[in-house]
Amino acid sequence: NAGVTQTPKFRILKIGQSMTLQCAQDMNHNYMYWYRQDPGMGLKLIYYSVGAGITDKGEVPNGYNVSRSTTEYFPLRLELAAPSQTSVYFCASRGSGVNGNTIYFGEGSWLTVV
Amino acid sequence: RKEVEQDPGPFNVPEGATVAFNCTYSNSASQSFFWYRQDCRKEPKLLMSVYSSGNEDGRFTAQLNRASQYISLLIRDSKLSDSATYLCVVNEGGTGGFKTIFGAGTRLFVKA
Repeated sequence: NAGVTQTPKFRILKIGQSMTLQCAQDMNHNYMYWYRQDPGMGLKLIYYSVGAGITDKGEVPNGYNVSRSTTEYFPLRLELAAPSQTSVYFCASRGSGVNGNTIYFGEGSWLTVV
Repeated sequence: RKEVEQDPGPFNVPEGATVAFNCTYSNSASQSFFWYRQDCRKEPKLLMSVYSSGNEDGRFTAQLNRASQYISLLIRDSKLSDSATYLCVVNEGGTGGFKTIFGAGTRLFVKA
């Protein structure tokens, strides 16, 4: 039972490089999210999606892009990496409906920009 | 005002103590509520949902007050293994879509 799978788990990027964090879920969830968590801080919402073909900005979208061509995949693209993007990135998903829906997280992607 | 605010912590308590965490949310259209637990360098995991009638799971009790837009978590008889960060989580509905908003978390240290 895979749940939410993120890759890579660890990555070091040089300033100005680009990369894509991959996220896949096998629970047929409509809602998917990308969060970042800086050391000792809370989760901040980067982007979210309420279904295939629909994405929207969260609290901290600058420097990132997303796409949602299918229900299963929700990749996060970093263009022109900056040291401020050093963080842990969590992908998450949850089902439709309003009450009592659990959000499931991937194990996180640790990104360092040097 | 932050959408979801929690006690800043950290809380340092001895084993066996009772500890309470508080959380407030700003969007009155919020529709479902949860407490998550996050261990160091791990992803958050669901601890329990929070219902208007209040709910209990072993040593953990969660309460919701919609009128005051307030959520609480009570941990009785604290164990060393309860040491973690506790996150208040709110699902917002309405025309803005179903965003899931996390509080900044309250860190708990339980000491022997």
